Amino acid sequence: DGGITQSPKYLFRKEGQNVTLSCEQNLNHDAMYWYRQDPGQGLRLIYYSQIVNDFQKGDIAEGYSVSREKKESFPLTVTSAQKNPTAFYLCASRKDRTNVLTFGAGSRLTVL
Amino acid sequence: EDQVTQSPEALRLQEGESSSLNCSYTVSGLRGLFWYRQDPGKGPEFLFTLYSAGEEKEKERLKATLTKKESFLHITAPKPEDSATYLCAVQAEERQNFVFGPGTRLSVLP
Repeated sequence: DGGITQSPKYLFRKEGQNVTLSCEQNLNHDAMYWYRQDPGQGLRLIYYSQIVNDFQKGDIAEGYSVSREKKESFPLTVTSAQKNPTAFYLCASRKDRTNVLTFGAGSRLTVL
Repeated sequence: EDQVTQSPEALRLQEGESSSLNCSYTVSGLRGLFWYRQDPGKGPEFLFTLYSAGEEKEKERLKATLTKKESFLHITAPKPEDSATYLCAVQAEERQNFVFGPGTRLSVLP
């Protein structure tokens, strides 16, 4: 079955470390997104990419970086510059024409 | 600036007790309004897309409706398995991103 795979599901990081969250899709979707979810808040957009080798900053891009070298992959790096990185991170891809988002299962990052 | 609010923040229902969730939005030209269901610790799952005022969509015990300023998700005779957080999102015309509301956390008690 087609879908989105995020890994790891749980990740612990020490302050000052960079970590990379993986996102892989086999849906053949062009557009991919990274969202951050905090308790009581809606999903906030970090970065999105509409095509390989191109991506745009979302509302809360500071302290994060992405790459899009392959259509199937859109990894997110949480850098040490991100002041409050503890959160639930969701990757999604968008189906053309319908604009429906398919989400991965999420990655929960905790900074110790 | 596009905005989405949802109410109530949390809702507890008895099994079989029908109710509605509200999603109010402001957007510069609506391309689509989306409802998703999210179970704890999981990614959201798509429920409905609505495109224009007056449109309605149904799926099992759920029915979504749309006006020019808000959308309702009506839940008829809910069951405990309907317990989840329901998210509303809008996409503006000529935009590739989406604005999400904070969600309504629904609990259905047996």
